[in-house]
Amino acid sequence: EPEVTQTPSHQVTQMGQEVILRCVPISNHLYFYWYRQILGQKVEFLVSFYNNEISEKSEIFDDQFSVERPDGSNFTLKIRSTKLEDSAMYFCASSVVWGRSYEQYFGPGTRLTVT
Amino acid sequence: GIQVEQSPPDLILQEGANSTLRCNFSDSVNNLQWFHQNPWGQLINLFYIPSGTKQNGRLSATTVATERYSLLYISSSQTTDSGVYFCAVEGVMETSGSRLTFGEGTQLTVNP
Repeated sequence: EPEVTQTPSHQVTQMGQEVILRCVPISNHLYFYWYRQILGQKVEFLVSFYNNEISEKSEIFDDQFSVERPDGSNFTLKIRSTKLEDSAMYFCASSVVWGRSYEQYFGPGTRLTVT
Repeated sequence: GIQVEQSPPDLILQEGANSTLRCNFSDSVNNLQWFHQNPWGQLINLFYIPSGTKQNGRLSATTVATERYSLLYISSSQTTDSGVYFCAVEGVMETSGSRLTFGEGTQLTVNP
């Protein structure tokens, strides 16, 4: 069964460093998402992406964050200058069709630790 | 935005027991999904169920969209069912982007 994959599974970085989290969505999916989950808290939406542009972003997704689809398969989340509070699990998701009544499939997550 | 409330926040069961988890939401939805977060932090899709009833093995779910709630039933629970169960919804009134709004989750512990 097709699945969303994410790399790395765990990344440790120092405060102020740039990190890039990578995702390979399911191959025929067209809509991509990033969510994050701070330890012990609920999952929060960051951004959605379609047709090579951001469709929606949350208030969390400030200028430190960017997303890109550099080729036909990868979808990346970049954090330019990491802060301690960016430590979280980051989930990528994809869906076949825009929004209305279509299931989102989640990857296994990347656990980011900022020291 | 849409509000999602899950209950109970914590649930402790003996192996073999049945349980019902509830998800209330504040507005009409296009999408409702149930997830199980395992001890490794992975989110496992359980059900996509904006309305109606579905069953998958020992798990089943019902969403009554007109009354704005969904229920997840776990029968004959096993220790491997332990973890956090999340309900997530996409509200009809969301302007764009299809964001899922998650509830706080139900922490389920199944003891042997």
